[in-house]
Amino acid sequence: NAGVTQTPKFRILKIGQSMTLQCTQDMNHNYMYWYRQDPGMGLKLIYYSVGAGITDKGEVPNGYNVSRSTTEDFPLRLELAAPSQTSVYFCASSYSSSLNSPLHFGNGTRLTVT
Amino acid sequence: KNEVEQSPQNLTAQEGEFITINCSYSVGISALHWLQQHPGGGIVSLFMLSSGKKKHGRLIATINIQEKHSSLHITASHPRDSAVYICAVRGATNKLIFGTGTLLAVQP
Repeated sequence: NAGVTQTPKFRILKIGQSMTLQCTQDMNHNYMYWYRQDPGMGLKLIYYSVGAGITDKGEVPNGYNVSRSTTEDFPLRLELAAPSQTSVYFCASSYSSSLNSPLHFGNGTRLTVT
Repeated sequence: KNEVEQSPQNLTAQEGEFITINCSYSVGISALHWLQQHPGGGIVSLFMLSSGKKKHGRLIATINIQEKHSSLHITASHPRDSAVYICAVRGATNKLIFGTGTLLAVQP
């Protein structure tokens, strides 16, 4: 299993540009999450999904959109990039939210908006 | 005040030392996670627990639900243990609340 795969690893965007961060997992996990990690702060939940066709907002959803058309894929879309979206983004998945279901993280995407 | 507080924020140890990282939380939880983030950024789940103690190799995690406190211990520390250790709790909304992490450096 490849686990959780995120692409790209790095990206620089100009203000107002758009991009999609890709996330795919091959573990047949129902739950998928997008987090952002800013210096000195804990990871913050942007969006999550409990299964194909179902998405919901997390703590910091503004400026982002997601879709979950398949179990494997959970892309994160930035429509009009802003400097406040400079961050490291992590995708994660788990089979369920139970104690027997650990989180699996991707390696992260470092995004800079200038 | 953050709902999840970790201490210390930074820790430097000599190889072989016994290390303790603490996590206190202020909300009701169903589970607590310990995660490890290596330089280069990848995050790995170490433990998930709701009571008592778990052990994996040189790592031990304990939780005291009444005191809302958890500890992560590393025995016989090694430079390859150098990483950021993150505590996260699953609260009433079933979402994870993360601490800001403890940066551990183990020197040879």
